[in-house]
Amino acid sequence: SQTIHQWPATLVQPVGSPLSLECTVEGTSNPNLYWYRQAAGRGLQLLFYSVGIGQISSEVPQNLSASRPQDRQFILSSKKLLLSDSGFYLCAWSGPSGANVLTFGAGSRLTVL
Amino acid sequence: AQKITQTQPGMFVQEKEAVTLDCTYDTSDQSYGLFWYKQPSSGEMIFLIYQGSYDEQNATEGRYSLNFQKARKSANLVISASQLGDSAMYFCAMREAPSYNTDKLIFGTGTRLQVFP
Repeated sequence: SQTIHQWPATLVQPVGSPLSLECTVEGTSNPNLYWYRQAAGRGLQLLFYSVGIGQISSEVPQNLSASRPQDRQFILSSKKLLLSDSGFYLCAWSGPSGANVLTFGAGSRLTVL
Repeated sequence: AQKITQTQPGMFVQEKEAVTLDCTYDTSDQSYGLFWYKQPSSGEMIFLIYQGSYDEQNATEGRYSLNFQKARKSANLVISASQLGDSAMYFCAMREAPSYNTDKLIFGTGTRLQVFP
């Protein structure tokens, strides 16, 4: 069966520090991968998605970037965090051909101080 | 532009009663998909139910059913026989179009459901 892992689960970082959130999927190949952000009390906003290794699409301009160095690995990064980067970050995967259910990881809660 | 609207920030229901969570959507596409997710306090998003725009029958999954009214562009979630464990945030979502073989979802702002004994 397929599983999705995210880490770290919780992160407290000072403004201006770098960020790296990691997501891996097991039990499937060539998944579509997604990074969503949820601000406090809000819905989810799609940040990035990827349909293959090295293929990243950005949905909103921001202080963050994403990379997919391996088929089942998706990384969210920042060189210098802003206060507004605080939130709950969720990684998700779906099958490669569309028309699938999106399955989410447990999420990473980032607080920027 | 596609949009999902959930107008109920919070709902209360007594245990064992049924509750309806509202969702309306806006799209000009003929083919689309609608989803409901549950987010407990732990934060994980749990898929509940799916309705395709061409599905003639309302989707059902155990105690969950989706009241799909295409002409009204509504996709309300009905939870029957509520349980204390149903207390959570509930999000309605729509698959973006064109999808280009992806499953990008647009989410509403959510409804917080609280089930009391």
